[in-house]
Amino acid sequence: AQTVTQSQPEMSVQEAETVTLSCTYDTSESNYYLFWYKQPPSRQMILVIRQEAYKQQNATENRFSVNFQKAAKSFSLKISDSQLGDTAMYFCALRGNAGGTSYGKLTFGQGTILTVHP
Amino acid sequence: GAGVSQSPRYKVAKRGQDVALRCDPISGHVSLFWYQQALGQGPEFLTYFQNEAQLDKSGLPSDRFFAERPEGSVSTLKIQRTQQEDSAVYLCASSLVGGGGARETQYFGPGTRLLVL
Repeated sequence: AQTVTQSQPEMSVQEAETVTLSCTYDTSESNYYLFWYKQPPSRQMILVIRQEAYKQQNATENRFSVNFQKAAKSFSLKISDSQLGDTAMYFCALRGNAGGTSYGKLTFGQGTILTVHP
Repeated sequence: GAGVSQSPRYKVAKRGQDVALRCDPISGHVSLFWYQQALGQGPEFLTYFQNEAQLDKSGLPSDRFFAERPEGSVSTLKIQRTQQEDSAVYLCASSLVGGGGARETQYFGPGTRLLVL
């Protein structure tokens, strides 16, 4: 079984500052993918960033970057230069190798509500 | 070029009624997933289709839940004899191909919020 844990129910940050959201996971698969999704109040889930477990280099997408610690099974998201539009619920998600029985289904954490203050 | 669409966006049902939730995936997407999201929680997997074949229905909470995708495009999630615990947002997601490669980004619809009274 796969599990994803987000231990921060809520976070807040001032506009233009940096914030880090935490995520830990557990899986028995050797190859897997990790994702951060953003869900604004409109509820449309949007992919923020993706990390392939076999790649050691941390993924980066503009102001978003991850700190992937495979041995520790940790996958944190750093948002730099926070903007008001970053206010949303953020979900960490794990996807196993769809060549197995998981068929690529996502296992989500409980989410972290991020509020960016002006 | 449209994204994943779902209808209705909101549904209020009386306990015991049957409901049907529709998902239109992105055109050409092979894989389709249904997730259930309780208030304040992360989505939980319900079922998976590859084209018209339902390959995984391990997440369906009871035999009152039924999903189909008869022509490999539009999918319908049906809940029979709804109960209050079925109240949740039902999310649909599609991805381009089946398999576990880097192209397997799941694109989500806006969800259907179901309230059972």
